[in-house]
Amino acid sequence: AAGVIQSPRHLIKEKRETATLKCYPIPRHDTVYWYQQGPGQDPQFLISFYEKMQSDKGSIPDRFSAQQFSDYHSELNMSSLELGDSALYFCASSRGRPTRGQYFGPGTRLTVT
Amino acid sequence: KNEVEQSPQNLTAQEGEFITINCSYSVGISALHWLQQHPGGGIVSLFMLSSGKKKHGRLIATINIQEKHSSLHITASHPRDSAVYICAAGGGSQGNLIFGKGTKLSVKP
Repeated sequence: AAGVIQSPRHLIKEKRETATLKCYPIPRHDTVYWYQQGPGQDPQFLISFYEKMQSDKGSIPDRFSAQQFSDYHSELNMSSLELGDSALYFCASSRGRPTRGQYFGPGTRLTVT
Repeated sequence: KNEVEQSPQNLTAQEGEFITINCSYSVGISALHWLQQHPGGGIVSLFMLSSGKKKHGRLIATINIQEKHSSLHITASHPRDSAVYICAAGGGSQGNLIFGKGTKLSVKP
């Protein structure tokens, strides 16, 4: 069965650069969630989209933006990167509202140097 | 008080032992997830449950909605089970999950 796909799997950027992370949900899933897990930290919810509209917002910095496209894939854009942005970013997808559960992608490990 | 609490935080077991990890939550949920994460690795979903009990191989997950409590059991534990196990609760109308702090399991041969 198809799973959630994230790209790239690993990314190294320098401070003040920009990064774009992509998440491809399971086919027919209409909701995408983004989470950030810093080193040794619990995952934290960043933002979610349902039917291409932002549905909820968590602890996402103003330097970050995200959107969901017509094919339901989502991109997380990160600008003016800081060392503290180094983390595992993973997305999850689900179908319908309220969701009955989320399926997780493998994550993108971002390292900011 | 965290909305999702796990216990224990750390757990060391001998190979073959029966292991239980507990999760209590205070939020309303439509689903509770048990996740596994190996060091430096991504998150793997083990179970997603909203009621009753689920079994997959040596893993069993149960949930008591009235008591807002879930348990993950590992039978005949093996060193390859060593990982961090995370309970995540949520769903509701928005769907975003709230994660527990994880239980670090180490199974010794």
